Amino acid sequence: DAGVIQSPRHEVTEMGQEVTLRCKPISGHDYLFWYRQTMMRGLELLIYFNNNVPIDDSGMPEDRFSAKMPNASFSTLKIQPSEPRDSAVYFCASSSPVPGGGYTFGSGTRLTVV
Amino acid sequence: AQSVTQLGSHVSVSEGALVLLRCNYSSSVPPYLFWYVQYPNQGLQLLLKYTTGATLVKGINGFEAEFKKSETSFHLTKPSAHMSDAAEYFCAVSDPPRDDKIIFGKGTRLHILP
Repeated sequence: DAGVIQSPRHEVTEMGQEVTLRCKPISGHDYLFWYRQTMMRGLELLIYFNNNVPIDDSGMPEDRFSAKMPNASFSTLKIQPSEPRDSAVYFCASSSPVPGGGYTFGSGTRLTVV
Repeated sequence: AQSVTQLGSHVSVSEGALVLLRCNYSSSVPPYLFWYVQYPNQGLQLLLKYTTGATLVKGINGFEAEFKKSETSFHLTKPSAHMSDAAEYFCAVSDPPRDDKIIFGKGTRLHILP
């Protein structure tokens, strides 16, 4: 099992540009979560999906953020336009249908907006 | 509503000393409880979990935690700290049977002194 795979690992972009972060969950996991981590705000849940359907997007900071899960093996988090305050580490995590299994996190994407 | 409180955002212990990281939770039902560890520049990794059964649970790297319902606590311990234990530790809670949304604490950074 390759685990949760995120790409890219690092992204540096200029303010105003579109940024797309990608995530491949573990096969068979039916929940997928997007988190953002900063020194100031800690770990924040942005949005999560169940069986490819968005369940709760109340953590998405602004309309500039959007997330999709077109199929069970792929999800994207898009920021358009990006701003310096979006600089953070973005994590994807997935979990299985087995209760109490917890989440498996990816290695994260470190986003720097200059 | 569920919540998690981790006492101490930073904890320092000497190498070879006991590690104790404190976690208290609030939940309306007997919860699922988790400890995650995050090493620098990595994602969160499941350290151990409590779902049902034995209240003392053992995890990786010599860590263990005890679920104490009367104290609503799930403190993490390790008898002898090692330099490689330096990391950030997150306590988390979810409400069974639906644990689609795990609530994370703010984290405790563990420093190991030589």
